Amino acid sequence: QQKVQQSPESLIVPEGAMTSLNCTFSDSASQYFAWYRQHSGKAPKALMSIFSNGEKEEGRFTIHLNKASLHFSLHIRDSQPSDSALYLCAVTGTGGYKVVFGSGTRLLVSP
Amino acid sequence: GGIITQTPKFLIGQEGQKLTLKCQQNFNHDTMYWYRQDSGKGLRLIYYSITENDLQKGDLSEGYDASREKKSSFSLTVTSAQKNEMAVFLCASRPGQGASVFFGKGTRLTVV
Repeated sequence: QQKVQQSPESLIVPEGAMTSLNCTFSDSASQYFAWYRQHSGKAPKALMSIFSNGEKEEGRFTIHLNKASLHFSLHIRDSQPSDSALYLCAVTGTGGYKVVFGSGTRLLVSP
Repeated sequence: GGIITQTPKFLIGQEGQKLTLKCQQNFNHDTMYWYRQDSGKGLRLIYYSITENDLQKGDLSEGYDASREKKSSFSLTVTSAQKNEMAVFLCASRPGQGASVFFGKGTRLTVV
């Protein structure tokens, strides 16, 4: 059974800082890795995703994947108060359909 | 674009009652999901369906049944509502492997 864990549980950073969020998974054959963001009272929305080892950058957001260490991360450059939300990582297992989410990291960016 | 509609938005049931939550999507996506989100927490997978008439158990399927009779709809039944399962239930869909998951706005369940 795939285990997906996130750290830290919560984080407060000042506006303009770099934010780093972590996600570990247990199934080394997992195929697809994504980050979602959920603002208070809203549905989760996909931020970005990656298939293979390495790094992918989109604007202020960068995702790193290291399958060998069963770890991927999200980095937010120049964090803004509007980035304050619950961040969820998601891993798709070997069959390609089962999507397991982590327990979330609550980010607060203080102005 | 498409939309995922969940009904009802709010559901109040009595302990021990059987309750059904409904989800419709007009994306024409093959795969659909039901997740439970306890207050401020992550998402736990209850059931998913790869295509019409397919059902796969998630990690939290005990106490729930699901049904996918049409490609566009996926329903979830709480077989005997308990006070410790008050949560928001999120329906989601996905066009295929390797794609992002799209979510509905949720059904908030209260058990009295």
